[in-house]
Amino acid sequence: EDKVVQSPLSLVVHEGDTVTLNCSYEVTNFRSLLWYKQEKKAPTFLFMLTSSGIEKKSGRLSSILDKKELFSILNITATQTGDSAIYLCAVLPSSNTGKLIFGQGTTLQVKP
Amino acid sequence: DVKVTQSSRYLVKRTGEKVFLECVQDMDHENMFWYRQDPGLGLRLIYFSYDVKMKEKGDIPEGYSVSREKKERFSLILESASTNQTSMYLCASSLMAGRDTQYFGPGTRLTVL
Repeated sequence: EDKVVQSPLSLVVHEGDTVTLNCSYEVTNFRSLLWYKQEKKAPTFLFMLTSSGIEKKSGRLSSILDKKELFSILNITATQTGDSAIYLCAVLPSSNTGKLIFGQGTTLQVKP
Repeated sequence: DVKVTQSSRYLVKRTGEKVFLECVQDMDHENMFWYRQDPGLGLRLIYFSYDVKMKEKGDIPEGYSVSREKKERFSLILESASTNQTSMYLCASSLMAGRDTQYFGPGTRLTVL
């Protein structure tokens, strides 16, 4: 059965800290891995990763995929209170449906 | 920018009531999805649709049905609401099957009393 597992499930840090969120997967016919950030409303898209070893970066956020070891990490440097959110990892298999397989999410709280 | 809207942000219903949740996207996307989100369980797919009048069951379709009569609109129906359907419901859409990220609506927090 296809599955996506995120760790930790929750995390509390202080402003300025660096955090690493993990996502491992076991999915038949992997196509890509996506990261979303969810604050109090809709998840918003962060990154889509398809190739191993190529870092994607957006400001203080970066992510990388390892297709051999079947995991991805999301790094946030110099955290701010506005980074507090649920971070969702999802895998898109190679299929015609566009159906995503989500992990449980990591709840990040950044304290001032 | 893609816009996905949902008919209500908060909804309170009674056990046994029929509930309609509506989702509209304005970007001519082919695929639309309904999820529920519960603490510790992440997002679970209820139903999805890859074309008008086409639908497929997701991981937890029991107690739900869907309707897609027009490309831009995807409705989730709870035929007889139960307390275990209290949840956050998220709608999403994507342009092409298997090739594109999903864009989410703001969610509907449904409480069934």
